[in-house]
Amino acid sequence: NAGVTQTPKFRILKIGQSMTLQCTQDMNHNYMYWYRQDPGMGLKLIYYSVGAGITDKGEVPNGYNVSRSTTEDFPLRLELAAPSQTSVYFCASSYSMGLAAYEQYFGPGTRLTVT
Amino acid sequence: GQQVMQIPQYQHVQEGEDFTTYCNSSTTLSNIQWYKQRPGGHPVFLIQLVKSGEVKKQKRLTFQFGEAKKNSSLHITATQTTDVGTYFCRNTGGFKTIFGAGTRLFVKA
Repeated sequence: NAGVTQTPKFRILKIGQSMTLQCTQDMNHNYMYWYRQDPGMGLKLIYYSVGAGITDKGEVPNGYNVSRSTTEDFPLRLELAAPSQTSVYFCASSYSMGLAAYEQYFGPGTRLTVT
Repeated sequence: GQQVMQIPQYQHVQEGEDFTTYCNSSTTLSNIQWYKQRPGGHPVFLIQLVKSGEVKKQKRLTFQFGEAKKNSSLHITATQTTDVGTYFCRNTGGFKTIFGAGTRLFVKA
């Protein structure tokens, strides 16, 4: 199993450009998450999904969009990139069963710089 | 989601010294998970605590969940340079999972 994979690893965007960060997991997890981590800071939840076709906002959703058409994929779309979106983006997934909580598996991250 | 506060924000230790990080909440927590993130890496799950007063050990790491389920701690005995990184706690209540801000550990050889 590859686990959670993210592409690209690095990206530099100009202000106003758009891009999609890709995330794929092969563990058949129904829960998936997108976080951003600013230098020296903690993890902020951007969006999450509890299954294909279902997404919801996290703590910091402004400037981002997501979709979940399959169990495996959870792309994050940045529209009109701004310098404040310079960060490391992590995708994560977890198993779920009822209300029980399970560990999150993280991808290696995408380092994004907006200039 | 419930906010959790982690202290200290960072700590410098000499190799061989002990280290403790705390995760606190003003309200009762569901479960607590602990993660470690090496510099330049991604968070990796360490352990989950579920029961009031629970204590779990992993080699030199000891994890505790408070009796009132409002706090948790991670203690490392005799730190090594491989322990360097940031340790996060996460309250698992609800879909909007909340991570603490993390404690960054520096170990001087």
